[in-house]
Amino acid sequence: DAKTTQPPSMDCAEGRAANLPCNHSTISGNEYVYWYRQIHSQGPQYIIHGLKNNETNEMASLIITEDRKSSTLILPHATLRDTAVYYCIVRVRGNTGKLIFGQGTTLQVKP
Amino acid sequence: GAVVSQHPSWVICKSGTSVKIECRSLDFQATTMFWYRQFPKQSLMLMATSNEGSKATYEQGVEKDKFLINHASLTLSTLTVTSAHPEDSSFYICSATRTGRNEKLFFGSGTQLSVL
Repeated sequence: DAKTTQPPSMDCAEGRAANLPCNHSTISGNEYVYWYRQIHSQGPQYIIHGLKNNETNEMASLIITEDRKSSTLILPHATLRDTAVYYCIVRVRGNTGKLIFGQGTTLQVKP
Repeated sequence: GAVVSQHPSWVICKSGTSVKIECRSLDFQATTMFWYRQFPKQSLMLMATSNEGSKATYEQGVEKDKFLINHASLTLSTLTVTSAHPEDSSFYICSATRTGRNEKLFFGSGTQLSVL
C-alpha cells in the first residue's frame, strides 16, 4: 500500500475552513484516497473517499490533484467538535483492502 | 449508516488471564474484519485481517498464538488476548466492510484493555 505524508498538526479558527493536505506521491491506479478522523479514545470515523474526481458530502470536500499525487480535505466551517486526529489513507480497491494508518494530522479548532 | 459494535468497551484483568473482545456488524454482513491496536499518543496499528470461515492473516510481528482471532459468522469476529501481560494493555479496535461492496470501512468504538 502507498504511504501518505501529512503535517503533524494544524490549527484552525472556529467557523473558518480547515484545509488538511496529504501527499501520496506513490499512489497506484487501483488505490482510493480515504479520510478518517479519530476523536480521543473513540474508533475512527469515516469522512470521505475518492478515486480521482473531487468529492463532497455532508461532512467535507475532497480535492484530488489531477496526477493523484496529493489531496486536500476541506472542512468548510470548522467547529470545536472537529478537533481530532485526521488520517489520510490510500487503500486498494476491493472489500478486502486494508487501511494502513499513518501518523495523521492533529487538527485543533480554536474559538 | 452501518454500525459495528464492539464489546466490552473496557476491561481490566490480571496478568496471565485471557480476555475476549467481540466485534459485531449489526446491520450488514462482513466477510472481512480487521483488528487494530493503538497505544497512547500513537496511530492505529493493523494486527490482523479476519476472514469468515478461514484462518486470520496476521501482520508481521504479531503473534498469532497470543492474539487468537475467530470469525465464525458473517457478523461476528472475536479477538482473544491469551495469557495477557501488562505490555498487552492497549486500545483494541475492530473494523468491517460490507460483503461484496467496495466502500468505506466501519469501525467499532474500541476496547480499552488494562492488564494488572
